[in-house]
Amino acid sequence: GAGVSQSPSNKVTEKGKDVELRCDPISGHTALYWYRQSLGQGLEFLIYFQGNSAPDKSGLPSDRFSAERTGGSVSTLTIQRTQQEDSAVYLCASSLGKPVSGNTIYFGEGSWLTVV
Amino acid sequence: GESVGLHLPTLSVQEGDNSIINCAYSNSASDYFIWYKQESGKGPQFIIDIRSNMDKRQGQRVTVLLNKTVKHLSLQIAATQPGDSAVYFCAEKKSSGDKLTFGTGTRLAVRP
Repeated sequence: GAGVSQSPSNKVTEKGKDVELRCDPISGHTALYWYRQSLGQGLEFLIYFQGNSAPDKSGLPSDRFSAERTGGSVSTLTIQRTQQEDSAVYLCASSLGKPVSGNTIYFGEGSWLTVV
Repeated sequence: GESVGLHLPTLSVQEGDNSIINCAYSNSASDYFIWYKQESGKGPQFIIDIRSNMDKRQGQRVTVLLNKTVKHLSLQIAATQPGDSAVYFCAEKKSSGDKLTFGTGTRLAVRP
């Protein structure tokens, strides 16, 4: 595909259930980011993958959140035992390499998660 | 209590006028800055970026200005159009890492 693809686009889940959100970055992009955006808020950094380096997990809010990136391409963000405060849009982004001028960071349309 | 975040600063401009959106960034060690536009229900869209060794960069109808002395970034949009209506975010990257930190955003409303 031409852009960053995320699925599902919308997810409603019951409190306490686990959810998986998927991100397909642009082909060839080595850098991949996950951000969270609550209603009317800015973007909150969650995790960053760059090539084969250890991911920067410093933004994950709790141990209920985890992410992996298989084969340097597709990434999955997993939220265990979801809580209502996890309701947000989860945005994935990718770029050719490290964030420098010329390596545009492209965002997907997001996965809207609602925990009821 | 009420969340400040639900009431983004709003800039209202007349169609055809120039818009200036401001952003105060937090870290003097930041070396790279980006402006994004986010329309309702969509992901952020890259507009323009600037490195810390520059103070101005121009794109198509947009100009970004960087004042490192006061840690201020601005986005100027010339001849604002209805399609420019969106929330605009600035983002900064510290020289020591690769993480982007986003500001809270400004809503631009274009009056016909």
